[in-house]
Amino acid sequence: KNEVEQSPQNLTAQEGEFITINCSYSVGISALHWLQQHPGGGIVSLFMLSSGKKKHGRLIATINIQEKHSSLHITASHPRDSAVYICAVVSSYNTDKLIFGTGTRLQVFP
Amino acid sequence: DGGITQSPKYLFRKEGQNVTLSCEQNLNHDAMYWYRQDPGQGLRLIYYSQIVNDFQKGDIAEGYSVSREKKESFPLTVTSAQKNPTAFYLCASSVSGRSYEQYFGPGTRLTVT
Repeated sequence: KNEVEQSPQNLTAQEGEFITINCSYSVGISALHWLQQHPGGGIVSLFMLSSGKKKHGRLIATINIQEKHSSLHITASHPRDSAVYICAVVSSYNTDKLIFGTGTRLQVFP
Repeated sequence: DGGITQSPKYLFRKEGQNVTLSCEQNLNHDAMYWYRQDPGQGLRLIYYSQIVNDFQKGDIAEGYSVSREKKESFPLTVTSAQKNPTAFYLCASSVSGRSYEQYFGPGTRLTVT
């Protein structure tokens, strides 16, 4: 079983829909990252969380440390949001490395 | 304009040949990382370096080698001993050795036939 699990693996939506991507982890963590990977392959960091909630534009990320769960929400989705969204955690016993989920592929259609 | 560059974007090699992937950063970051990405799997750590002239094996170091002679550069060599080298390779860097915020390069897609 992977230490970081994401759901769903694939997601399609119509433009304007509210999107939720989930991440569950089984290790103690210092921080959690949400990353975005576009079809060209490059990865961009969206959020780094250690507690609570962060918002940037139409993106909202939440984390519940007790439940070992984080969610990434996209409000008013747009075709340019189509990408792979990756959850990654910094383990509290080894802060040198990130542990990655397998990603959620999102396609938003006009 | 700070960032991480990887070259080339696409690389093709014949089986049995060693190949070196370039990674350069001008962010003045101490730590650098190499990851491999395969379809359906999360990124896996190959090697990382927290300081010049020092590096550590990651989870899948077999068949790879690295050097860190300069702060800005962390080249990865895929050797002929790597059994399945075809993959997408990503380089990243962070301010310190801690993974709190890593910046990623654009990646190199290596195809070995």
